[in-house]
Amino acid sequence: AQSVTQPDIHITVSEGASLELRCNYSYGATPYLFWYVQSPGQGLQLLLKYFSGDTLVQGIKGFEAEFKRSQSSFNLRKPSVHWSDAAEYFCAVGSGAGSYQLTFGKGTKLSVIP
Amino acid sequence: ETGVTQTPRHLVMGMTNKKSLKCEQHLGHNAMYWYKQSAKKPLELMFVYNFKEQTENNSVPSRFSPECPNSSHLFLHLHTLQPEDSALYLCASRGSTYEQYFGPGTRLTVT
Repeated sequence: AQSVTQPDIHITVSEGASLELRCNYSYGATPYLFWYVQSPGQGLQLLLKYFSGDTLVQGIKGFEAEFKRSQSSFNLRKPSVHWSDAAEYFCAVGSGAGSYQLTFGKGTKLSVIP
Repeated sequence: ETGVTQTPRHLVMGMTNKKSLKCEQHLGHNAMYWYKQSAKKPLELMFVYNFKEQTENNSVPSRFSPECPNSSHLFLHLHTLQPEDSALYLCASRGSTYEQYFGPGTRLTVT
């Protein structure tokens, strides 16, 4: 069965600093990988996705992620964080045909210091 | 309306009440999902519907009863809930590829 690990529960960065959120997955085949963001009291918004091809994918709001098969990782990055980026971030891996289920990590909460 | 909508956004109910959560997607998708999000737990998949047919029931207690009358609408009927059922209930839809699009959720409190 697939699994996703987000090792950092909570990260605090200063506004304008760079950001990297870690995600490691376990999946036997080629994974479909996603990053979602959730603001308080809201649903999850898709930031970016990786299906195949270029291992560096660009998303919305200036985010990017790099798929590294050798490390089973799909880390999310942003060169300069804005205060509005404070939220919870979820990494997910897609599995199998049929119901196309996603397995989510436990999330990383990002706080931004002005 | 665009995307995925959920009503109500907040719900407080007693353990003996019956209530329903509603989800509607305006994306032309054919698959819809119910998730439960509790504090400090990963997102838990509850039910999956493909073309109105239930394809997944993730060992959810029978006090939760889903209904999918068409590809655009999904309901979650609730009865005799427990306090531990208090959570954010999220609906999502999916088109022809893997990504899911989520609604804003219903914050449920069981008293």
